[in-house]
Amino acid sequence: GAVVSQHPSWVICKSGTSVKIECRSLDFQATTMFWYRQFPKQSLMLMATSNEGSKATYEQGVEKDKFLINHASLTLSTLTVTSAHPEDSSFYICSARTTGTSGGGTDTQYFGPGTRLTVL
Amino acid sequence: QKEVEQNSGPLSVPEGAIASLNCTYSDRGSQSFFWYRQYSGKSPELIMSIYSNGDKEDGRFTAQLNKASQYVSLLIRDSQPSDSATYLCAVNDDYKLSFGAGTTVTVRA
Repeated sequence: GAVVSQHPSWVICKSGTSVKIECRSLDFQATTMFWYRQFPKQSLMLMATSNEGSKATYEQGVEKDKFLINHASLTLSTLTVTSAHPEDSSFYICSARTTGTSGGGTDTQYFGPGTRLTVL
Repeated sequence: QKEVEQNSGPLSVPEGAIASLNCTYSDRGSQSFFWYRQYSGKSPELIMSIYSNGDKEDGRFTAQLNKASQYVSLLIRDSQPSDSATYLCAVNDDYKLSFGAGTTVTVRA
């Protein structure tokens, strides 16, 4: 149990275009999902918390108009990188939070496989 | 976010040895602790969670928690080359996780 998928696994786009990344919890419902970014040889950086049916909460320094988050259902959150630029190239990882035994533990986060974004 | 410190790496151990990873955290009120393994180029994978003081064993992995000392550790017994990865300590910070910087482990064959 506790499987999280992400799509696409990698994407290459031109500067100025928008890219949408999907995060799905496959075998449990996740009222809360998280979006992280990771640059090479650095630790995870939390970008935002996505709550089903409400606006996302962004961490300090993360532009909410650039990184649009939608959490339309209990199993799906999307991150759209708008007007992407080369400095947005990174590894984007989502996680889904379980709060009961269905995910195997108490208040545990399970990570998706990540999406590698390269902006040319 | 609350502070989570891990022992600096990289840590190199011979195959079959015990790898010992340490983590300290700043918030005495923290209740949930996790160890994630991250292979190069991959996302983190949960390997252990621990909530109570003492030891918790799962296969070759043992997590140890001491809330009084604000310390959590991970032991990897009979280390294998496949254990070579970066290990992230994480502490629950309300509903979010605070991560340490990670310790990179290399198991020498």
